[in-house]
Amino acid sequence: DAKTTQPPSMDCAEGRAANLPCNHSTISGNEYVYWYRQIHSQGPQYIIHGLKNNETNEMASLIITEDRKSSTLILPHATLRDTAVYYCIVSFNTDKLIFGTGTRLQVFP
Amino acid sequence: EAGVTQFPSHSVIEKGQTVTLRCDPISGHDNLYWYRRVMGKEIKFLLHFVKESKQDESGMPNNRFLAERTGGTYSTLKVQPAELEDSGVYFCASSQDRGTGELFFGEGSRLTVL
Repeated sequence: DAKTTQPPSMDCAEGRAANLPCNHSTISGNEYVYWYRQIHSQGPQYIIHGLKNNETNEMASLIITEDRKSSTLILPHATLRDTAVYYCIVSFNTDKLIFGTGTRLQVFP
Repeated sequence: EAGVTQFPSHSVIEKGQTVTLRCDPISGHDNLYWYRRVMGKEIKFLLHFVKESKQDESGMPNNRFLAERTGGTYSTLKVQPAELEDSGVYFCASSQDRGTGELFFGEGSRLTVL
């Protein structure tokens, strides 16, 4: 079973920031938070991951709360191509990722 | 650099037949994974190879599924005999490092069992 809870769906206007929340209240001290997304029927795509500190890359930012029980993925300027299902995954490593149901993000013009 | 490639992209077979799916990981990636999504369900882990060795095959549903990675390069996943409930999309992924690195997924092989 997935160790994370995400809202089933969210909407975002094109050009605005998309903030996708994730709860992982049972996370262990050395478990990472990973974010992947699946655009339509393509293969999952890695976005970002973090342990304790906030992380940023060319795709997104990951904000992890101090108690590590929740996190937020931020797409700073959402585009129509960001419409996808976003998965928040908690794991010690990438050996065996457990995908939950994710959040379906719809970016509208 | 080529990504993870999977073949075929779509296969339609009848119940009881055999299908073999192939995955070519990114060159140099020792770790290779198989996942699948069956209709209406979540993406599920099947197994993990490190080079030619099966590191974890706890997600394989039953003995009708056989995965191989001879020589530690490409991998095949054979379903024999196929059942209706095997229909879904089979994803392959690879990574260079174990641990906290990124997984690179292929586009998937869609299997339809009639």
